[in-house]
Amino acid sequence: ETGVTQSPTHLIKTRGQQVTLRCSSQSGHNTVSWYQQALGQGPQFIFQYYREEENGRGNFPPRFSGLQFPNYSSELNVNALELDDSALYLCASSSTGGSSRYGYTFGSGTRLTVV
Amino acid sequence: QKEVEQNSGPLSVPEGAIASLNCTYSDRVSQSFFWYRQYSGKSPELIMSIYSNGDKEDGRFTAQLNKASQYVSLLIRDSQPSDSATYLCAVRHDYKLSFGAGTTVTVRA
Repeated sequence: ETGVTQSPTHLIKTRGQQVTLRCSSQSGHNTVSWYQQALGQGPQFIFQYYREEENGRGNFPPRFSGLQFPNYSSELNVNALELDDSALYLCASSSTGGSSRYGYTFGSGTRLTVV
Repeated sequence: QKEVEQNSGPLSVPEGAIASLNCTYSDRVSQSFFWYRQYSGKSPELIMSIYSNGDKEDGRFTAQLNKASQYVSLLIRDSQPSDSATYLCAVRHDYKLSFGAGTTVTVRA
């Protein structure tokens, strides 16, 4: 059974640019969640996708957007990058839409640096 | 008020001692509670989950939950240098996990 994989592992972008981060969910999982972890803080929920639809969103501006594909892989897109977007971006997958009581297993993350 | 608060660190314990980590949460309808371990530069790793009041033991780790007090704790017995990491408390309500800022634990050899 493969786990959650994320790409790329590291990325450096310039303020104002756009970035796309990718996540392949664990086999059999149809739900993907994205979190942002700034240095010294806990992860913050960005949004969740279930069966290709966004079914929950945290307190992030619209320039953070996402997609989920029929194979349940997902993309996180961030437009008009700001310096504060520098963080570790984490993806997690699960096998239910959102009512499960269980914890999430995270991928290894993408470290984004905005300069 | 933050949704999830953890005792401020860093916490330094000698090898073989017990490390005690505390967490409080504000949402009374939270359903599930978790402890994650995060090594520097790595992603969080789920180490414990607890859903009912009381204690849950797994190896050297014991999680305690008191829903009336909105309190979760983690005890690490016989602490080892490999336990040196940041420990994140997480609380789940529906689809969303809310995390504390983490407590950094250093185990001194």
